[in-house]
Amino acid sequence: GAGVSQSPSNKVTEKGKDVELRCDPISGHTALYWYRQSLGQGLEFLIYFQGNSAPDKSGLPSDRFSAERTGGSVSTLTIQRTQQEDSAVYLCASSYGHQAKNIQYFGAGTRLSVL
Amino acid sequence: AQSVAQPEDQVNVAEGNPLTVKCTYSVSGNPYLFWYVQYPNRGLQFLLKYITGDNLVKGSYGFEAEFNKSQTSFHLKKPSALVSDSALYFCAVRDPLGSGAGSYQLTFGKGTKLSVIP
Repeated sequence: GAGVSQSPSNKVTEKGKDVELRCDPISGHTALYWYRQSLGQGLEFLIYFQGNSAPDKSGLPSDRFSAERTGGSVSTLTIQRTQQEDSAVYLCASSYGHQAKNIQYFGAGTRLSVL
Repeated sequence: AQSVAQPEDQVNVAEGNPLTVKCTYSVSGNPYLFWYVQYPNRGLQFLLKYITGDNLVKGSYGFEAEFNKSQTSFHLKKPSALVSDSALYFCAVRDPLGSGAGSYQLTFGKGTKLSVIP
């Protein structure tokens, strides 16, 4: 079956611009996660959605970052007024339910470059 | 707070030799442990997990990992390395009793680059 799909695969933007990154999880997966992978910080958790519950935003690095999930499926991560330190690969993952033992399946990521 | 350490940034091994990628963890309770592999310009692919039960876990592509509670380790192993195993390997932990994000987010190590030399 189809895996986690992310778009765009690459995004180049100028400092100060807003960007939107999209994630389409595996069909039937109720839990969705965003992570950021950067050279200096490794893999960092950003935000978590479970069904229709309020998301856990505890990992978002600043208020320039926000995310939403429409209809319990597709998610969009928005970064406002991008900064050079936002350059990273943004990974989305989904799992069937939120139990800790469940496997998170990852998309290929969006590589964001802020010039 | 939970954490994972992968003490080696890079591991080099000759094709056909056994390989080991090391991982140690720290959690307050019993850990759930995972290994993922990342090929260039690809996302993370799940290899195997330890939840409970047998300490030796077998996963995809001939990989296995041994959970050692006393040493808080979860090393990844393969009896005979292939050139195609060359990739970046991540160990991750979840604390099922953690509060808030700690119970469902994966906490990753920094990754170990494995190079299998023909």
